[in-house]
Amino acid sequence: AQKVTQAQTEISVVEKEDVTLDCVYETRDTTYYLFWYKQPPSGELVFLIRRNSFDEQNEISGRYSWNFQKSTSSFNFTITASQVVDSAVYFCALSEASQGAQKLVFGQGTRLTINP
Amino acid sequence: DAGVIQSPRHEVTEMGQEVTLRCKPISGHNSLFWYRQTMMRGLELLIYFNNNVPIDDSGMPEDRFSAKMPNASFSTLKIQPSEPRDSAVYFCASSSPGGRAVFDEQFFGPGTRLTVL
Repeated sequence: AQKVTQAQTEISVVEKEDVTLDCVYETRDTTYYLFWYKQPPSGELVFLIRRNSFDEQNEISGRYSWNFQKSTSSFNFTITASQVVDSAVYFCALSEASQGAQKLVFGQGTRLTINP
Repeated sequence: DAGVIQSPRHEVTEMGQEVTLRCKPISGHNSLFWYRQTMMRGLELLIYFNNNVPIDDSGMPEDRFSAKMPNASFSTLKIQPSEPRDSAVYFCASSSPGGRAVFDEQFFGPGTRLTVL
């Protein structure tokens, strides 16, 4: 069965610090997809990134970067030089090809607070 | 471009009443998803449709919940009768699977906050 674990329930840092959000997943599929979503205080869910299981390249987008390691079943998210606007709940999610690939299973989320 | 539209944004009702939540997906998207978010259970997929056809409703909690998608631009999630434990934020999302990728990312609506007294 698919499962996503975000062990960090809450993280609080001071602005401009770097912060890494951990995501560990479980799946028996060889083809699967990993996602990160952001939920700011306004409540909507904002898509950040998608990764498939065959692409282990790390990705950088501005201050955001993602480290995908199949060997440790992890898909961690790093924010460099954090800003107050980064304060949100961040969700990691997984879908499996055998389940139709559209069925997202979310982790419990990490609440990130960036203090000025 | 308009994103996923949900209505109402807030709903307060009394136990036993029927509740209908509405969703308009992004134009051109052919997959639609209903999720529920609670503190205890987090984000859960309730049901999803491809081309207006329900594909997987295994997440629907019980028979009191039903969902329909009569056309490509409209879906409803109905709870009848409602109970206090149904209080949650209900999200609708849509995506446009196709091309080389099996699927595309899901775009979420703003959610409907339901409170059942």
